[in-house]
Parts: sequence; structure tokens; C-alpha cells
Amino acid sequence: AQRVTQPEKLLSVFKGAPVELKCNYSYSGSPELFWYVQYSRQRLQLLLRHISRESIKGFTADLNKGETSFHLKKPFAQEEDSAMYYCALLSNTDKLIFGTGTRLQVFP
Amino acid sequence: DGGITQSPKYLFRKEGQNVTLSCEQNLNHDAMYWYRQDPGQGLRLIYYSQIVNDFQKGDIAEGYSVSREKKESFPLTVTSAQKNPTAFYLCASSSARYTGELFFGEGSRLTVL
Repeated sequence: AQRVTQPEKLLSVFKGAPVELKCNYSYSGSPELFWYVQYSRQRLQLLLRHISRESIKGFTADLNKGETSFHLKKPFAQEEDSAMYYCALLSNTDKLIFGTGTRLQVFP
Repeated sequence: DGGITQSPKYLFRKEGQNVTLSCEQNLNHDAMYWYRQDPGQGLRLIYYSQIVNDFQKGDIAEGYSVSREKKESFPLTVTSAQKNPTAFYLCASSSARYTGELFFGEGSRLTVL
């Protein structure tokens, strides 16, 4: 089965602390993985995709095939990072499968 | 202003009534999608269409119907057969080349009284 698991519903940190949002997947073959973000009162948007190996707004995510994980990390959280984050997997039928999401709260 | 437009933003309906949610895009994207977003359940795919006049069921298609008569339009009808229709509905589109990169609308919140 193709599945995405985000084990944390809520992650709360203080400004300046490191952040790691967990994502595990189940997929046979080479996965294509994404992180989407939804800020308050804004539409859901793509944050980053593993294939481009880029850093967006200080966030990075590394694909670990051994652990079937794609955790989202940022070394120093900012208040404006507070949002809902979704990990997503592109299925072998070109559908995007989303996890249940993690709400990140960054306190001042 | 390019993008995805969903309407209405808020909709109230009585039980037993069919409701149609509109989704229009001017991004010239081939693929369009309807997701349902419920707290604690993430986004679940209702229907998707990769080309005009063709669409496929997603994971929770029961009680919903769609049409794709034009490239830019993908309306979703929530029928009276849908047992829990009260939800937030998101429409999205993507190009054929980058199917994992979805562009989303602002969503439509349907409340069935």
C-alpha cells in the first residue's frame, strides 16, 4: 500500500529552536515526495520537493530510503513558520497522497 | 490574476439537497483534482481528471460526481447520497509534466444543516 504517515498532530517550539517535522512513507520503488504548507488564511501551497534538493525559507528535507522517511527540518524556527504542514507522496498512478498534517506553532 | 478560483467560499444546504461547487483555472493545466479536508484526516482525494472528458474516482468518491467538459473547469457535485457532506473542499490543478506540483484554490466550506 502507498501511504504517508505524519505521527505528530501538533509541534510547538520557541523561536530560534530547531524544528523537525516527521514524515514516513510506504512505497515500492523510487518515491517522489513533497512538502506542502498552509499558512493561516492562505491557500495550500508547495513548499519543496525532494527531487530538487532545494532549501526554501530555510527548510530542507532529505529522503532516507533506508528509514523510508522524508523529515522536514529547519535549524532556527521563526514565528512566521507557524502553519499546517503536509507531507505528500506521488503514487504510481500520478495521484498525490497526503499525510494527515502537522500543525507547527512557533512561540516568541 | 492567474490561478484557481473556487466558488462559493461558504455554502449552507439542507440535508437531501444536491450541491455543486465550482472550480475554474486559467493556468492551462491538464490535470484537476478535488480533495476533501477534514481535521485530523488530512486531504483525501475525491475525483481527479487528467484530460478533458475523462475523470477517475479517488479514494472517497462515493456520494460525489464531477464533469470535465472544458479544460479550465471541473465542478464537483455533492449529492444527497454523501453521508457526511459537511467539510472543506479543495480544488487543485497541475500540469501534465509536473503532476506532484499542485496549485490549490482557496477552498469551499460546505455545511449541511
